Amino acid sequence: DGGITQSPKYLFRKEGQNVTLSCEQNLNHDAMYWYRQDPGQGLRLIYYSQIVNDFQKGDIAEGYSVSREKKESFPLTVTSAQKNPTAFYLCASTPVGGGYTFGSGTRLTVV
Amino acid sequence: AQTVTQSQPEMSVQEAETVTLSCTYDTSESDYYLFWYKQPPSRQMILVIRQEAYKQQNATENRFSVNFQKAAKSFSLKISDSQLGDAAMYFCAYRSPFLSGTYKYIFGTGTRLKVLA
Repeated sequence: DGGITQSPKYLFRKEGQNVTLSCEQNLNHDAMYWYRQDPGQGLRLIYYSQIVNDFQKGDIAEGYSVSREKKESFPLTVTSAQKNPTAFYLCASTPVGGGYTFGSGTRLTVV
Repeated sequence: AQTVTQSQPEMSVQEAETVTLSCTYDTSESDYYLFWYKQPPSRQMILVIRQEAYKQQNATENRFSVNFQKAAKSFSLKISDSQLGDAAMYFCAYRSPFLSGTYKYIFGTGTRLKVLA
């Protein structure tokens, strides 16, 4: 079945450490997105990519980085510059003109 | 700038009853999409229903329907015959026209729906 796979489901990060969240889709969607979700808030856009080898900053890109070397993959790196990384992270993809398909998310906790 | 507002942080409904979740938005565009997403405790975001702004007819998906009032910029979700499995966080979302090489999605802050047995 087609879908989006996010891994790991839970991730723990030490202070000053970079961590990478994986997002893979087999839907042949062109566009992929990373969102952050905090309690009591809606989803906030971190980065998005419309095509391979191209990506754009969203509303809260500081402290994050991404790459899009393959159509199927859009990993997100949470760098040590992100001062408050504890959150739930959602990856999504869309075909042209379509609505989101979301992954099941990664819960990142700083320890 | 586009905004999406969900003014009800939490709602409750008795099982088998009907509930309406409110959503208002602001945009200067005329061609856009609106969505309702459901996020159950598993935190998987699930598309419930979507509405194209150029369509006057309200979208319906089984027990879920919308009341789309374009002039009032209102997009409410009605859930009929509520079931325990409907308990979740519901997000309203706006998608802009394709501009500057991308669509822009704006999400509301969500409404937590509790279903009482």
